[in-house]
Amino acid sequence: AQRVTQPEKLLSVFKGAPVELKCNYSYSGSPELFWYVQYSRQRLQLLLRHISRESIKGFTADLNKGETSFHLKKPFAQEEDSAMYYCASEGGSTLGRLYFGRGTQLTVWP
Amino acid sequence: DAGVTQSPTHLIKTRGQQVTLRCSPKSGHDTVSWYQQALGQGPQFIFQYYEEEERQRGNFPDRFSGHQFPNYSSELNVNALLLGDSALYLCASKASGNYEQYFGPGTRLTVT
Repeated sequence: AQRVTQPEKLLSVFKGAPVELKCNYSYSGSPELFWYVQYSRQRLQLLLRHISRESIKGFTADLNKGETSFHLKKPFAQEEDSAMYYCASEGGSTLGRLYFGRGTQLTVWP
Repeated sequence: DAGVTQSPTHLIKTRGQQVTLRCSPKSGHDTVSWYQQALGQGPQFIFQYYEEEERQRGNFPDRFSGHQFPNYSSELNVNALLLGDSALYLCASKASGNYEQYFGPGTRLTVT
Protein backbone atom coordinates (compact mmCIF):
# COMPACT_ATOMS: atom_id res chain seq x y z
CA ALA A 1 0.00 0.00 0.00
CA GLN A 2 1.06 3.57 -0.54
CA ARG A 3 2.20 5.51 2.49
CA VAL A 4 2.69 9.23 3.00
CA THR A 5 4.79 10.55 5.86
CA GLN A 6 4.74 14.08 7.20
CA PRO A 7 7.33 14.12 9.98
CA GLU A 8 6.34 17.44 11.54
CA LYS A 9 3.00 17.67 13.30
CA LEU A 10 3.55 21.34 14.15
CA LEU A 11 5.62 24.02 12.41
CA SER A 12 5.96 27.65 13.44
CA VAL A 13 7.69 30.46 11.57
CA PHE A 14 7.62 34.23 11.66
CA LYS A 15 6.06 36.30 8.92
CA GLY A 16 8.48 36.82 6.05
CA ALA A 17 10.55 33.75 6.88
CA PRO A 18 10.89 30.84 4.47
CA VAL A 19 8.85 27.77 5.21
CA GLU A 20 9.21 24.15 4.13
CA LEU A 21 6.70 21.44 4.96
CA LYS A 22 8.15 17.98 4.50
CA CYS A 23 6.47 15.04 2.79
CA ASN A 24 7.84 11.63 1.89
CA TYR A 25 5.96 8.96 0.01
CA SER A 26 6.38 5.25 -0.59
CA TYR A 27 5.26 4.07 -3.99
CA SER A 28 7.38 2.22 -6.49
CA GLY A 29 5.49 3.49 -9.51
CA SER A 30 4.82 7.04 -10.67
CA PRO A 31 2.48 8.57 -8.15
CA GLU A 32 0.27 11.58 -8.45
CA LEU A 33 1.12 13.85 -5.54
CA PHE A 34 -0.91 16.63 -4.02
CA TRP A 35 -0.91 19.15 -1.24
CA TYR A 36 -4.28 19.83 0.38
CA VAL A 37 -4.88 22.68 2.82
CA GLN A 38 -7.50 23.30 5.47
CA TYR A 39 -7.84 26.84 6.78
CA SER A 40 -9.55 27.45 10.09
CA ARG A 41 -13.27 26.62 9.91
CA GLN A 42 -13.05 25.79 6.21
CA ARG A 43 -13.17 22.53 4.33
CA LEU A 44 -10.23 20.62 2.93
CA GLN A 45 -9.21 21.96 -0.46
CA LEU A 46 -6.60 21.25 -3.08
CA LEU A 47 -3.58 23.57 -2.94
CA LEU A 48 -1.46 22.15 -5.71
CA ARG A 49 -0.69 19.09 -7.76
CA HIS A 50 2.83 18.05 -8.68
CA ILE A 51 2.16 17.44 -12.35
CA SER A 52 0.93 20.97 -12.93
CA ARG A 53 4.23 22.40 -11.65
CA GLU A 54 2.58 25.70 -10.83
CA SER A 55 2.88 28.09 -7.93
CA ILE A 56 -0.27 28.63 -5.89
CA LYS A 57 -0.38 31.41 -3.29
CA GLY A 58 3.42 31.53 -3.55
CA PHE A 59 3.79 27.85 -2.69
CA THR A 60 5.71 25.39 -4.85
CA ALA A 61 6.44 21.70 -4.45
CA ASP A 62 9.04 19.70 -6.29
CA LEU A 63 8.88 15.98 -6.75
CA ASN A 64 12.21 14.31 -5.95
CA LYS A 65 11.94 10.71 -7.07
CA GLY A 66 15.39 9.82 -5.76
CA GLU A 67 14.46 10.89 -2.24
CA THR A 68 10.75 10.04 -2.71
CA SER A 69 9.92 13.47 -1.38
CA PHE A 70 7.43 16.19 -2.26
CA HIS A 71 8.21 19.05 0.08
CA LEU A 72 6.08 22.21 0.04
CA LYS A 73 7.96 25.49 0.08
CA LYS A 74 7.29 29.19 0.26
CA PRO A 75 10.07 31.79 0.37
CA PHE A 76 8.20 34.38 2.47
CA ALA A 77 5.46 33.09 4.76
CA GLN A 78 2.37 35.21 5.46
CA GLU A 79 0.03 35.11 8.44
CA GLU A 80 -2.80 33.94 6.20
CA ASP A 81 -0.77 30.82 5.39
CA SER A 82 -1.53 29.51 8.88
CA ALA A 83 -3.47 26.29 8.29
CA MET A 84 -3.30 22.50 8.36
CA TYR A 85 -1.46 21.07 5.36
CA TYR A 86 -1.86 17.51 4.14
CA CYS A 87 0.31 15.74 1.62
CA ALA A 88 -1.48 13.07 -0.41
CA SER A 89 -0.66 10.54 -3.09
CA GLU A 90 -2.55 8.37 -5.51
CA GLY A 91 -1.59 6.12 -8.36
CA GLY A 92 -1.56 2.79 -10.05
CA SER A 93 -4.49 0.47 -9.51
CA THR A 94 -5.84 2.70 -6.76
CA LEU A 95 -6.23 5.76 -8.94
CA GLY A 96 -8.82 8.05 -7.41
CA ARG A 97 -8.04 6.89 -3.90
CA LEU A 98 -6.01 9.42 -1.94
CA TYR A 99 -3.50 8.35 0.69
CA PHE A 100 -3.01 11.19 3.17
CA GLY A 101 -0.25 12.00 5.59
CA ARG A 102 -1.19 12.95 9.14
CA GLY A 103 -0.86 16.66 8.37
CA THR A 104 1.33 19.55 9.51
CA GLN A 105 -0.18 22.49 11.38
CA LEU A 106 1.61 25.61 10.17
CA THR A 107 1.49 28.73 12.30
CA VAL A 108 2.90 31.97 10.96
CA TRP A 109 3.52 34.52 13.71
CA PRO A 110 3.33 38.28 13.03
CA ASP B 1 -23.40 25.77 -6.35
CA ALA B 2 -23.04 24.94 -2.66
CA GLY B 3 -20.34 22.45 -3.44
CA VAL B 4 -20.31 19.12 -1.62
CA THR B 5 -22.87 19.01 1.16
CA GLN B 6 -23.11 16.53 4.01
CA SER B 7 -25.73 15.79 6.63
CA PRO B 8 -26.00 15.76 9.52
CA THR B 9 -23.27 18.03 10.84
CA HIS B 10 -22.97 16.23 14.16
CA LEU B 11 -24.27 12.93 15.42
CA ILE B 12 -24.10 11.12 18.74
CA LYS B 13 -24.78 7.39 18.84
CA THR B 14 -24.43 4.55 21.34
CA ARG B 15 -22.26 1.49 20.87
CA GLY B 16 -24.01 -1.20 18.85
CA GLN B 17 -26.30 1.22 17.05
CA GLN B 18 -26.37 1.88 13.32
CA VAL B 19 -25.83 5.21 11.57
CA THR B 20 -26.42 6.63 8.09
CA LEU B 21 -24.51 9.64 6.79
CA ARG B 22 -25.46 11.48 3.62
CA CYS B 23 -23.58 13.32 0.91
CA SER B 24 -24.59 15.37 -2.12
CA PRO B 25 -21.79 15.86 -4.62
CA LYS B 26 -20.84 19.07 -6.32
CA SER B 27 -22.90 19.81 -9.41
CA GLY B 28 -21.51 17.94 -12.42
CA HIS B 29 -19.65 15.35 -10.35
CA ASP B 30 -20.45 11.64 -10.65
CA THR B 31 -17.87 10.02 -8.38
CA VAL B 32 -18.12 10.05 -4.60
CA SER B 33 -15.54 8.90 -2.05
CA TRP B 34 -15.82 8.60 1.70
CA TYR B 35 -12.99 9.16 4.18
CA GLN B 36 -12.69 8.70 7.92
CA GLN B 37 -10.57 11.20 9.81
CA ALA B 38 -9.71 10.31 13.39
CA LEU B 39 -8.49 13.07 15.71
CA GLY B 40 -4.94 14.12 14.88
CA GLN B 41 -4.77 11.95 11.77
CA GLY B 42 -5.12 12.48 8.05
CA PRO B 43 -8.22 11.26 6.21
CA GLN B 44 -8.36 7.52 5.55
CA PHE B 45 -10.10 6.19 2.45
CA ILE B 46 -13.19 4.06 3.09
CA PHE B 47 -14.61 3.51 -0.39
CA GLN B 48 -15.51 5.13 -3.69
CA TYR B 49 -18.72 4.98 -5.71
CA TYR B 50 -19.18 5.53 -9.42
CA GLU B 51 -22.22 4.62 -11.53
CA GLU B 52 -23.93 3.36 -8.37
CA GLU B 53 -21.25 0.74 -7.78
CA GLU B 54 -18.45 0.48 -5.25
CA ARG B 55 -15.30 0.82 -7.34
CA GLN B 56 -12.63 0.79 -4.66
CA ARG B 57 -12.54 -0.06 -1.00
CA GLY B 58 -10.05 0.74 1.71
CA ASN B 59 -9.15 -1.36 4.71
CA PHE B 60 -12.45 -1.09 6.56
CA PRO B 61 -14.64 -3.92 7.85
CA ASP B 62 -17.93 -4.96 6.27
CA ARG B 63 -19.75 -2.98 8.97
CA PHE B 64 -19.05 -0.02 6.69
CA SER B 65 -21.26 -0.03 3.62
CA GLY B 66 -22.46 2.53 1.16
CA HIS B 67 -24.76 3.35 -1.63
CA GLN B 68 -24.88 5.75 -4.53
CA PHE B 69 -28.19 6.90 -6.00
CA PRO B 70 -29.01 7.74 -9.63
CA ASN B 71 -28.64 11.45 -8.83
CA TYR B 72 -25.04 10.67 -7.68
CA SER B 73 -25.73 11.40 -4.03
CA SER B 74 -24.39 8.84 -1.60
CA GLU B 75 -24.89 7.32 1.82
CA LEU B 76 -22.43 5.79 4.23
CA ASN B 77 -23.84 3.22 6.66
CA VAL B 78 -22.03 1.92 9.69
CA ASN B 79 -23.50 -1.00 11.65
CA ALA B 80 -22.71 -2.21 15.16
CA LEU B 81 -20.95 1.00 16.09
CA LEU B 82 -17.78 0.82 18.16
CA LEU B 83 -16.19 3.55 20.24
CA GLY B 84 -13.35 3.59 17.71
CA ASP B 85 -15.73 4.67 14.97
CA SER B 86 -15.86 8.12 16.53
CA ALA B 87 -14.36 10.40 13.89
CA LEU B 88 -15.01 13.04 11.26
CA TYR B 89 -16.45 11.47 8.14
CA LEU B 90 -15.62 13.31 4.94
CA CYS B 91 -17.29 12.98 1.58
CA ALA B 92 -15.41 13.99 -1.56
CA SER B 93 -16.70 14.23 -5.09
CA LYS B 94 -15.11 14.57 -8.50
CA ALA B 95 -15.99 14.29 -12.14
CA SER B 96 -14.81 11.02 -13.68
CA GLY B 97 -11.66 11.62 -15.68
CA ASN B 98 -10.68 14.60 -13.52
CA TYR B 99 -8.19 14.45 -10.70
CA GLU B 100 -9.41 17.10 -8.31
CA GLN B 101 -11.55 15.93 -5.42
CA TYR B 102 -13.79 18.43 -3.67
CA PHE B 103 -14.44 17.80 0.00
CA GLY B 104 -17.52 18.42 2.06
CA PRO B 105 -17.48 19.91 5.55
CA GLY B 106 -17.77 16.51 7.18
CA THR B 107 -20.03 14.81 9.70
CA ARG B 108 -18.69 14.53 13.24
CA LEU B 109 -19.76 11.15 14.68
CA THR B 110 -19.39 10.49 18.38
CA VAL B 111 -20.02 6.98 19.70
CA THR B 112 -20.59 6.69 23.43
